[in-house]
Amino acid sequence: DTAVSQTPKYLVTQMGNDKSIKCEQNLGHDTMYWYKQDSKKFLKIMFSYNNKELIINETVPNRFSPKSPDKAHLNLHINSLELGDSAVYFCASSPEYYNEQFFGPGTRLTVL
Amino acid sequence: DAKTTQPNSMESNEEEPVHLPCNHSTISGTDYIHWYRQLPSQGPEYVIHGLTSNVNNRMASLAIAEDRKSSTLILHRATLRDAAVYYCILRDVEDSNYQLIWGAGTKLIIKP
Repeated sequence: DTAVSQTPKYLVTQMGNDKSIKCEQNLGHDTMYWYKQDSKKFLKIMFSYNNKELIINETVPNRFSPKSPDKAHLNLHINSLELGDSAVYFCASSPEYYNEQFFGPGTRLTVL
Repeated sequence: DAKTTQPNSMESNEEEPVHLPCNHSTISGTDYIHWYRQLPSQGPEYVIHGLTSNVNNRMASLAIAEDRKSSTLILHRATLRDAAVYYCILRDVEDSNYQLIWGAGTKLIIKP
C-alpha cells in the first residue's frame, strides 16, 4: 500500500505549457504539502494545506497553484512553465501540521 | 529561523555505529530537533525528533546536548541501505507556519 503517491513520476514539457501533478495520500492525514528540490538538492517548502487553510511560501510565483478537491488530494497546477521550474517536486502529508511528514516518491519535471 | 550546521559528508563502515553531528547554537526553547533522511532517488523519510531528552526508536537514537546547542543522530549498526543524505532540522512549535526549513544535510557513505 502506497501511503503518499504522486503522478506522473516523470514529466517532460515545453516552456509556456500548463501542467498538473497529482498527489494522493491514504493515511487520513489533515495536512498536505508541496516541496521543490532543485538541482543543488535543497528542499524548499512551497505550500502547506491544513483544514482548508493554505499557507504559501511567499517566494513561490503565482504561476503555481495548489488545488485540493478533498482531504486526501492536493494537486499542483503550474501555468506558463519556465526553464527554472525544472526540479523534483515532492508531495507530503502529516496527521497535523506539527507531526512528522510522510513524503511521496517525487515527480521529476523537465522543462525544455 | 534557527539554523543548523552539518558536515557535508561522512563515511562509515558497514555494521559499525555512525554518529552524525548537528550544531544549532541559536536554538530557542521552543525548537524541536527533527531528523529526516533521503535515500537516492526517493522522497525524504522521517527518522526521529526530540526536544530536550535523548530519544530512541527502531531506526536510530538522538542524543541532545545539555545546552541543546548540538545533537547527534546515532545509527547503531549501519547497513548499506542507510546510505542517504541526513537532514537535521529545527521546528519552532510557536511558529504558526511550523514549516520544515531544510539545509544541505550530511551525505552518509557506507563502505562494505
